[in-house]
Amino acid sequence: EAGVAQSPRYKIIEKRQSVAFWCNPISGHATLYWYQQILGQGPKLLIQFQNNGVVDDSQLPKDRFSAERLKGVDSTLKIQPAKLEDSAVYLCASSLGGIGNSPLHFGNGTRLTVT
Amino acid sequence: GQNIDQPTEMTATEGAIVQINCTYQTSGFNGLFWYQQHAGEAPTFLSYNVLDGLEEKGRFSSFLSRSKGYSYLLLKELQMKDSASYLCAGKSTFGDGTTLTVKP
Repeated sequence: EAGVAQSPRYKIIEKRQSVAFWCNPISGHATLYWYQQILGQGPKLLIQFQNNGVVDDSQLPKDRFSAERLKGVDSTLKIQPAKLEDSAVYLCASSLGGIGNSPLHFGNGTRLTVT
Repeated sequence: GQNIDQPTEMTATEGAIVQINCTYQTSGFNGLFWYQQHAGEAPTFLSYNVLDGLEEKGRFSSFLSRSKGYSYLLLKELQMKDSASYLCAGKSTFGDGTTLTVKP
């Protein structure tokens, strides 16, 4: 089966600019997650979707970050305006369900550098 | 959310056995996952425990004690390619990972 697809792979922007990331989950996976991973830390959950509904966005900085999954498949994550501390790897993951033993499958991530 | 704690770094010798511990808050527990993450790559799933006891998968085993909020990942016959970060996780909450360095 095809894995989780993410693009772009790398992005360099200046602070106060905007950026968007795209994710296509594994076919049939209802749950989609966006994580931020800063070097040396574990992935931090930004937002979780179940189909096209938001399950958890409690750690999403909503003044600058937004995400959508309009048709319950692809998703985009946007940052506007970016800050220096947003430099991180943004990982998208998907799983069959929101609970139970279905593990997360991760994409290769987008490495964002804000200068 | 769940607080998940694990050691930051560990070092072991090729061919040896290493145990990576993880403690977590038991409230809202719904199973514990272990992932492996090589430098510059995405995490990949290793194991899942929801009941107490040991789950064995080849060279890797994972143990869970729900009453103690404790888990460990056991890696046997270490190989150089096992050098990576090992992440303990609830369903969607991750620890900061344990960076394992395997030396010849």
